[in-house]
Amino acid sequence: QLQLQESGPGRVKPSETLSLTCSVSGGSIDSRDYYWDWIRQPPGKGLEWIGSVYYSGNTYYNPSLRSRVSITIETSKNQFSLKLNSVTAADTAVYSCARRRLPAPKRVVVAAGNWFDPWGRGTLVIVSS
Amino acid sequence: DIQMTQSPSSLSASVGDRVTITCRASQHIDSYLNWYQQKPGKAPEFLIYAATSLQSGVPSRFSGSGSGTDFTLTISSLQPEDFATYFCQQSYSMPWTFGQGTKVE
Repeated sequence: QLQLQESGPGRVKPSETLSLTCSVSGGSIDSRDYYWDWIRQPPGKGLEWIGSVYYSGNTYYNPSLRSRVSITIETSKNQFSLKLNSVTAADTAVYSCARRRLPAPKRVVVAAGNWFDPWGRGTLVIVSS
Repeated sequence: DIQMTQSPSSLSASVGDRVTITCRASQHIDSYLNWYQQKPGKAPEFLIYAATSLQSGVPSRFSGSGSGTDFTLTISSLQPEDFATYFCQQSYSMPWTFGQGTKVE
């Protein structure tokens, strides 16, 4: 059973860089069928998609964060990472990693794909001096 | 960005009740809509894809309906393990966006 686990500092100072790693176990990250994503949820607010990385290193980012975010993948370690620079208090959130299923080329259900499963449990990062 | 709006934000129900949660998209998304369940301190669980298709292993008391802009998640007979927060996600176009969640308590 595939499992994802986030790790990294629980507190980051304003203007510094938030760095998190997602370790994948129970399966290979080196797959053509999936993207590997980061999602966050600020306290009391909804979920926000941050971005994705493919096994090849190809990435997609939310335009709202694109100027500050970088997601990389290390297939040899079966993990992928998030860096968010110039953080402010608004970046305080629970950060979760997840696997995203790409639409299968010959799928029966046309709208099937781009769902997140599984997710990590998430890690709270507080931006504070 | 496509905005996803869920209602209600919370609801009170009892075991055995039929529960209905609504998700509305700010623009047409065909059937590109997924549903998740999350319990406190746990990772979200994937329930339904493409608006109506049940993910493998998900109990049949869960069902989804809708297309276009209006979608519904229904729990036909609420079980004790179903008390949780439910949220929708559009998979029509990036950036992927989520509803703010509905807490069933």
